[in-house]
Amino acid sequence: EAGVTQFPSHSVIEKGQTVTLRCDPISGHDNLYWYRRVMGKEIKFLLHFVKESKQDESGMPNNRFLAERTGGTYSTLKVQPAELEDSGVYFCASSQVIGPSSYNEQFFGPGTRLTVL
Amino acid sequence: AQKITQTQPGMFVQEKEAVTLDCTYDTSDPSYGLFWYKQPSSGEMIFLIYQGSYDQQNATEGRYSLNFQKARKSANLVISASQLGDSAMYFCAMREGTGNQFYFGTGTSLTVIP
Repeated sequence: EAGVTQFPSHSVIEKGQTVTLRCDPISGHDNLYWYRRVMGKEIKFLLHFVKESKQDESGMPNNRFLAERTGGTYSTLKVQPAELEDSGVYFCASSQVIGPSSYNEQFFGPGTRLTVL
Repeated sequence: AQKITQTQPGMFVQEKEAVTLDCTYDTSDPSYGLFWYKQPSSGEMIFLIYQGSYDQQNATEGRYSLNFQKARKSANLVISASQLGDSAMYFCAMREGTGNQFYFGTGTSLTVIP
């Protein structure tokens, strides 16, 4: 079974440009999450989809970030226009189980390393 | 306030020795789960071990064990018989029972020395 995949693995853009990151979750996983790790800091939650609906987007830094998950399959995260502080590694994760249990293993992709110059 | 704290930015361990990676957490939710992930240089995040707040015994998975001290709010990862392939970043994470997002620490970079 294929794991979570992300594309591209690396992206280098100039300030002001637009970048779109893609995440393909594990097939059948309704829950999809985006996280970001800025250099040297902790991995921070950005948002959570349940199928195509945004369940929680409390971690999105500002309105330059737009996430979509049309059809409830893959998701895209667009940054427009990109700023220097957006540089970091963007992780996507997916999970199947949701509910009151605290065990809800999230399967992570390899991340997209974004560098804004 | 930081929900997950990893105080060791970098650690070194001799091959075949055991090593403990520290993790403390902060939550008021009685139901929570603690996770450890390994991130090798390839970038993927590999799930290692899970401990639930109501679990009576410390979790173990092969060479990995979790030293869960609930009163101290610590969930240290113990790797026994270190191997060269254990060299990686290690992240401690928590999920609170009422939410879906994971809270991560800043990670510990482990280097295993031959």
